[in-house]
Amino acid sequence: DAGITQSPRHKVTETGTPVTLRCHQTENHRYMYWYRQDPGHGLRLIHYSYGVKDTDKGEVSDGYSVSRSKTEDFLLTLESATSSQTSVYFCAISPITSGSSYEQYFGPGTRLTVT
Amino acid sequence: QKEVEQNSGPLSVPEGAIASLNCTYSDRGSQSFFWYRQYSGKSPELIMSIYSNGDKEDGRFTAQLNKASQYVSLLIRDSQPSDSATYLCAVNIRGSNYQLIWGAGTKLIIKP
Repeated sequence: DAGITQSPRHKVTETGTPVTLRCHQTENHRYMYWYRQDPGHGLRLIHYSYGVKDTDKGEVSDGYSVSRSKTEDFLLTLESATSSQTSVYFCAISPITSGSSYEQYFGPGTRLTVT
Repeated sequence: QKEVEQNSGPLSVPEGAIASLNCTYSDRGSQSFFWYRQYSGKSPELIMSIYSNGDKEDGRFTAQLNKASQYVSLLIRDSQPSDSATYLCAVNIRGSNYQLIWGAGTKLIIKP
């Protein structure tokens, strides 16, 4: 258990509404990631963070923004949700310790449905 | 475009047999390779990591890496019905900020 929680776990929202997903970790890891997972596409990186206030875009960042004001929290915001953003969203952390430079551990996921 | 390719399956294997899962990658500079298991409706779980050419064994699991041929494989010996899941291959992106690129996964079904 990497001490990662995500909230909410399930959400149904309407097109055009803003949505914020939260990822919380208890172990002060520097690197955090947001992915979406869709059938046939595997995991695709949305945004990632390498420290407080340090974030960067992934391969599918359009329509998403992130914020990290504290080490333990990484927020993903859909400013105006669209049906194409219906997906399962996973948060991950990377411990970046010697001998395990890149391995990632995942939260339980958030299932988001945009109607 | 850096890529990781996996056969989507499903791969059906009799209980007790060896399941063999394969993954190829495009970035010759990749140094770290991972296998994750994902049960339906759950999050990915790390089961194996490998960094050097050759084999790495952990219980019933063996990861094999061949950097010259750019493939990594996962063998599961004495397959059990509980091994039925989707297996994801992940590879680090050279020069990235600790990013991984992911295959779409292979669905494995172990038949009792």
